[in-house]
Amino acid sequence: DVKVTQSSRYLVKRTGEKVFLECVQDMDHENMFWYRQDPGLGLRLIYFSYDVKMKEKGDIPEGYSVSREKKERFSLILESASTNQTSMYLCASTSGEKLFFGSGTQLSVL
Amino acid sequence: GIQVEQSPPDLILQEGANSTLRCNFSDSVNNLQWFHQNPWGQLINLFYIPSGTKQNGRLSATTVATERYSLLYISSSQTTDSGVYFCVRGGYQKVTFGTGTKLQVIP
Repeated sequence: DVKVTQSSRYLVKRTGEKVFLECVQDMDHENMFWYRQDPGLGLRLIYFSYDVKMKEKGDIPEGYSVSREKKERFSLILESASTNQTSMYLCASTSGEKLFFGSGTQLSVL
Repeated sequence: GIQVEQSPPDLILQEGANSTLRCNFSDSVNNLQWFHQNPWGQLINLFYIPSGTKQNGRLSATTVATERYSLLYISSSQTTDSGVYFCVRGGYQKVTFGTGTKLQVIP
């Protein structure tokens, strides 16, 4: 079975902390995505990557950065976490056809 | 960009009832999936259906690409069908989510 694995299901951090969310896929997909999902706002694209070391800003990149040093791993970084970054974060990958999602990370910033 | 509208936005069903969810696109698509987001937030892939009809148990889906819509049929609904259903226009780089249908199945 194909797999997209997010490192944490629940995460609690303090304001100002540097936060790393990790996502690993085992399907050799070129494209990987980070979304956040908030009630009433649907899924919003933060960043995506179409190759190793390549990244593109999505719709809401402010306050986030990403890293893709290896094809299978796409990391989302919150340089200085703030309370408005409390959200559900979803990672996805695709080869261009089917899209696969990780199980999500519920991040709370206190 | 391409807009993906879903209807109805909310739906309440009695257990055992059937329903049809609809997804309309503003432009042609050649890549469409249906997902179910369960109450724990996980997005489950139901169908990859750029065209034609597929069935999987109590669920089936039909996409008519020339008329820019897709339908998801749920028969004999169960409480575990509750959650939000998304149609998603995929692609190599640009992915567009539908607005979602929130389904609640009551015993």
